[in-house]
Amino acid sequence: ELKVEQNPLFLSMQEGKNYTIYCNYSTTSDRLYWYRQDPGKSLESLFVLLSNGAVKQEGRLMASLDTKARLSTLHITAAVHDLSATYFCAVVGAQKLVFGQGTRLTINP
Amino acid sequence: NAGVTQTPKFQVLKTGQSMTLQCAQDMNHNSMYWYRQDPGMGLRLIYYSASEGTTDKGEVPNGYNVSRLNKREFSLRLESAAPSQTSVYFCASSDWQPELYGYTFGSGTRLTVV
Repeated sequence: ELKVEQNPLFLSMQEGKNYTIYCNYSTTSDRLYWYRQDPGKSLESLFVLLSNGAVKQEGRLMASLDTKARLSTLHITAAVHDLSATYFCAVVGAQKLVFGQGTRLTINP
Repeated sequence: NAGVTQTPKFQVLKTGQSMTLQCAQDMNHNSMYWYRQDPGMGLRLIYYSASEGTTDKGEVPNGYNVSRLNKREFSLRLESAAPSQTSVYFCASSDWQPELYGYTFGSGTRLTVV
């Protein structure tokens, strides 16, 4: 059974700092997604990572995938308040999308 | 706007009442999903439908039933609601190549069972 684990679950950081969210999964998969969720809202797709070594960047966010280590990272560079949200990774297994627990990110001025 | 539409957005039920959550997509997607979201647990799959006419159980199917009415619509029914079913429910859809276009989520239904 596919398990997806994120850490940390809560992250409070200052504007301007860098940090990384980690996503580990338990069985082989070559498709991983990152989503953002604002309070009371739906999920917004950030990145789709399809192969080993894939790296995608959008603004201050960069995601990477290491399928051999079964690990994805979401790196935040020079954080700004607008990036405060909950971030989820999700992995495809047996035609189903399985989510991590989410990382609640709070960025303080 | 194209996408996934869920109704209702909010609902309060008494224990033992029944209700159906509706979901419709207009993107001609083949696959549809129902998730529930509880604090600290991410989203957990309740049921999914890989194509019209098929449905399968996900991680937490107990207490729920689904119907894939046609290609556009996928409903979730609670026959006898329980407080443990208080949650936010999301419907999602994807096509045959979700690696290209991802999964599209509805805006959610916030259900409280008292």
